[in-house]
Parts: sequence; structure tokens; C-alpha cells
Amino acid sequence: DAKTTQPPSMDCAEGRAANLPCNHSTISGNEYVYWYRQIHSQGPQYIIHGLKNNETNEMASLIITEDRKSSTLILPHATLRDTAVYYCIVRGSGTYKYIFGTGTRLKVLA
Amino acid sequence: EAGVAQSPRYKIIEKRQSVAFWCNPISGHATLYWYQQILGQGPKLLIQFQNNGVVDDSQLPKDRFSAERLKGVDSTLKIQPAKLEDSAVYLCASSLEGTGNTGELFFGEGSRLTVL
Repeated sequence: DAKTTQPPSMDCAEGRAANLPCNHSTISGNEYVYWYRQIHSQGPQYIIHGLKNNETNEMASLIITEDRKSSTLILPHATLRDTAVYYCIVRGSGTYKYIFGTGTRLKVLA
Repeated sequence: EAGVAQSPRYKIIEKRQSVAFWCNPISGHATLYWYQQILGQGPKLLIQFQNNGVVDDSQLPKDRFSAERLKGVDSTLKIQPAKLEDSAVYLCASSLEGTGNTGELFFGEGSRLTVL
């Protein structure tokens, strides 16, 4: 399973875009990039996932570089409720095995 | 639809005692996961079931931890005997795989264990 590297913490002003980077330089061709977030005292919550193309849903956008070695999760207009730990995970297409790292602690500031 | 149910929410025991956690996944979800989350760390996969078979238990401390998923639905995670370092939140998750599904994990609220 490919490993991911994320900054331990980030701050973002409320209303601004939050851009959370993730490095996954050892990713292989059939591995997906998933993003989850965990708000204090709750279980992790799915945000978005992608393989090669950029993806957007009602929560966020996912930008994957052409070489697939890194990705960025974008929260377009961060709110205080987006304060959480964000996890970037690489998952093989056949294993459905999710290995969480230490994530990025995002703090949205008023 | 109902989410992943876990019980108990909180448990306090003394070291060397035993404890069991129960999980009821979302109906129809074939894959069930148990994670251990120690304070300040990301969730650590303990065991993954596909229906009632074990897919991965490489990180499960088998000398003290056991898990089963009878009939491919509910699951139980047991710790016997407990150690101080087992203090953590135990998260259960389930997922629905297959073409057209995102494969996302749905987590329960977790069971917080304190070992004194």
C-alpha cells in the first residue's frame, strides 16, 4: 500500500479556500486517492475520492497532479465547522483496505 | 438508512480484565473493519472482514485481541487480558463495494476504552 505524507497542521481564515496537500509519490496505477475528515469525538467521514481526473462534489474538490504523485483537497469556502483532522489515503482497487496516516489538523479561524 | 451501530460507547476496566465491543454494520455491507485510534493518532486498522471471512488481520495483536463476524453481519472485538496501552477508541466501519459504488467507509461513533 502506498504511503502518504501530509503537513501536520494548517490554519485557514473563515470564508477563504483551504488547500490541503498530500504527497503519495509511490502510488501505483490502480490505486485511488481518498480523503476523509474527522471532527473531534466522531468517526471519520468520507469527503471525496479520485483516480486520475480532478473531482468535485458538494463538499470539496480534489486536484490530482498529472503524474499522480500528489493531490490537493480544496474546501472552497471554509467555515468554522470544517475544523477537523483531514486524512489522505491511497487505496488499491481490489483490496478495499484503508490505511490512515496522522493527517492534517485544519483549524479554521474566525 | 440506519448507520453503523456500536456498543458500548464507553467502558472503563482495570488491566488484566477482559472487554468486548459489538458492531452492527449498515445492512447489506459485506466489508467490515475494526480500527483502534489512540489519542492524537490516526485510526489503525486491526482487522478487515469480507462477509464472515478475514481479509487482513496483520495488525491485530492476536495474543490478546480476537474478533469474529458470525453469519457475515454483526461483529465482536474482544480484548483479554487488557493492558494500559489498549486505552483507545475502537471504531467499526463498513463499506459496500462493487461497480458503481464509491467504496467509502461508513464509521460508527466508536467505543472508548479506558484501562486503569
